[in-house]
Amino acid sequence: QSALTQARSVSGSPGQSVTISCTGTSSDVGGYNYISWYQQHPGKAPKLIIYDVSKRPSGVPDRFSGSKSGNTASLTISGLQAEDEADYYCCSYAGSYTWLFGGGTKLTVL
Amino acid sequence: EVQLVESGGGLVQPGGSLRLSCAASGFTFSSYWMSWVRQAPGKGLEWVANIKQDGSEKYYVDSVKGRFTISRDNAKNSLYLQMNSLRAEDTAVYYCARSISGGHYSDYWGQGTLVTVST
Repeated sequence: QSALTQARSVSGSPGQSVTISCTGTSSDVGGYNYISWYQQHPGKAPKLIIYDVSKRPSGVPDRFSGSKSGNTASLTISGLQAEDEADYYCCSYAGSYTWLFGGGTKLTVL
Repeated sequence: EVQLVESGGGLVQPGGSLRLSCAASGFTFSSYWMSWVRQAPGKGLEWVANIKQDGSEKYYVDSVKGRFTISRDNAKNSLYLQMNSLRAEDTAVYYCARSISGGHYSDYWGQGTLVTVST
């Protein structure tokens, strides 16, 4: 199975909003609501920031939100802050107890 | 505080074997699914394997099936990944992660251990 499709990079200015998309197929993103997003700063381990498409773990700011439409999931970060600069990865259940990650999107805060 | 500490990475020749370990603390290890996720240098994340709380169910990405074995020792609060017939494309940082919601999400991660497969 191929990785989910994400834009290689996205950028925004402090205070602005950015949306990162994650496109799959009806066999993964479109077929299940087990969608998650991870934030990874350089040299660090990934951090879970969204699960079940749109839920936020405790401690994750409400500036981070998730959604899904058809075969595409999206992560929106509003009120961009310098510390949001990181790589973001989507992940989807793909059936038969397998999971697929996206290729990752590098967010640059200008 | 939840802690996951991986060990066992290193340099190995193609065709060789390596066993990764992950020492867990700060939570009831036997109550959680556990996962291994890898990241090749400069590349994205790739889910490798999951194991159920009691070890009765194990799942793998196709590219490692038949070569890698995930296991756990709940008495020792430890997770393992036995890697055989290693290939250059297995070169990556391997992360141990605690998984929730039936293994669907990883809410705590270790810092990773680097495995390099090369001559």
